[in-house]
Formats: sequence, C-alpha cells, structure tokens
Amino acid sequence: ETGVTQTPRHLVMGMTNKKSLKCEQHLGHNAMYWYKQSAKKPLELMFVYNFKEQTENNSVPSRFSPECPNSSHLFLHLHTLQPEDSALYLCASSQVGTGGDTGELFFGEGSRLTVL
Amino acid sequence: AQSVTQLDSHVSVSEGTPVLLRCNYSSSYSPSLFWYVQHPNKGLQLLLKYTSAATLVKGINGFEAEFKKSETSFHLTKPSAHMSDAAEYFCVVSFINDMRFGAGTRLTVKP
Repeated sequence: ETGVTQTPRHLVMGMTNKKSLKCEQHLGHNAMYWYKQSAKKPLELMFVYNFKEQTENNSVPSRFSPECPNSSHLFLHLHTLQPEDSALYLCASSQVGTGGDTGELFFGEGSRLTVL
Repeated sequence: AQSVTQLDSHVSVSEGTPVLLRCNYSSSYSPSLFWYVQHPNKGLQLLLKYTSAATLVKGINGFEAEFKKSETSFHLTKPSAHMSDAAEYFCVVSFINDMRFGAGTRLTVKP
C-alpha cells in the first residue's frame, strides 16, 4: 500500500473542460512534487512545494495550476488543456533535510490523463 | 550541473539469467544516486540508493548497484532474473534539490 494516494487514476477530458487531480501523502513529509511522464520522454518535474510554499515551477504552461493547502495535500488544476498534455501525472513526496537535500521520493500510482 | 544517461533503452534477458542495467552520471558534486522501478500502470518505487557510504549498495528484490566514481557509473545488477522483474527502471542523480532522472530502461524477461 502506497503512502501517497492519487485520484482519479484515470481522467478523460475535452479541451474546454476544467478538472483537478488530487494527491495526498500520509508519510508526514514536508515537500510534495508534480511530475509529468510522457511516452518516450524522461520524467519532467513540474512543480515543487516545500512547507506549502512553491519553490519550483519549471516553465509549466499556465493551463496547469497547482495548489497546496497544507503539507499533506496537493492539487493540480487543469483547464483548456491540449491533446499533447495527455500523459501520466505523478505526485511524489519527500522529507527535505535542513540542508535542502531532496531525499528519497515516494511516488503515488499516477493519474492517467487523456485530453481529447 | 548534473545529468544521467541510461545506456540502454531496452534490455531483454531470459528468466534465471543475470541482469545488468547501465547508468552513467555527470555531476560537479558528490551526488546521491538512486534506482527506481516502475511496473505497468504504477508509480515509481525505490529499489536502492547510494549516499556516500558503502560503494556496493543492496536493494530490494535481490538487486544491487555499485558506485564507481572513477567510471562515473552506477550500474544495477541482479544475479538471476525473475518474470516479476519485467518493468521500467530509472537511474537518478541528486544533489541538494537538483534531482535528474534518466530516460529509463525497459527490462523484458523471457520465460
């Protein structure tokens, strides 16, 4: 059983829809991450939240909007997506050390997004 | 700057034979190194990690990896492949908050 839970596991949406992906971690970690995994491409880091503060945004289009209300929950709000946004979206958490070391990532099982 | 290269995009072995998945890294620092495994329709799971202690690292499911600084390599091995080892494997280099994933190696295990 994973300590990081993602819902929904599968999502199909049209380009004009608005939907959200949810992630919850039960590990007491202080940092959470969104990654995008597309076929034939390396894992892409999208957003990092450390102690609920966004510390990284890797030039992600504004049609992806993250929200981190507390250190256990992370959302990815989606609107006006494009077909090329279809991918597996992975959430992860870690315990960042005092020196800023990311540490080991614990991943959820992912949300498979299809944009029609 | 850091980078990681997985030298094979696909490796195929027969059940019961050894597994070797190759990883080379580049880092200006003394990084931590990880191997993760991803089974179909699942998230990534940590297999093992190197954090500047013993250079031979043992992980779960009989996997191990050896850190070779002179060769900047961190290859993953297993003496005898099992059908359940069929998955995608990712090598990762990390220093402070800079974590880089390799492109992945798909391992196929034939009966």
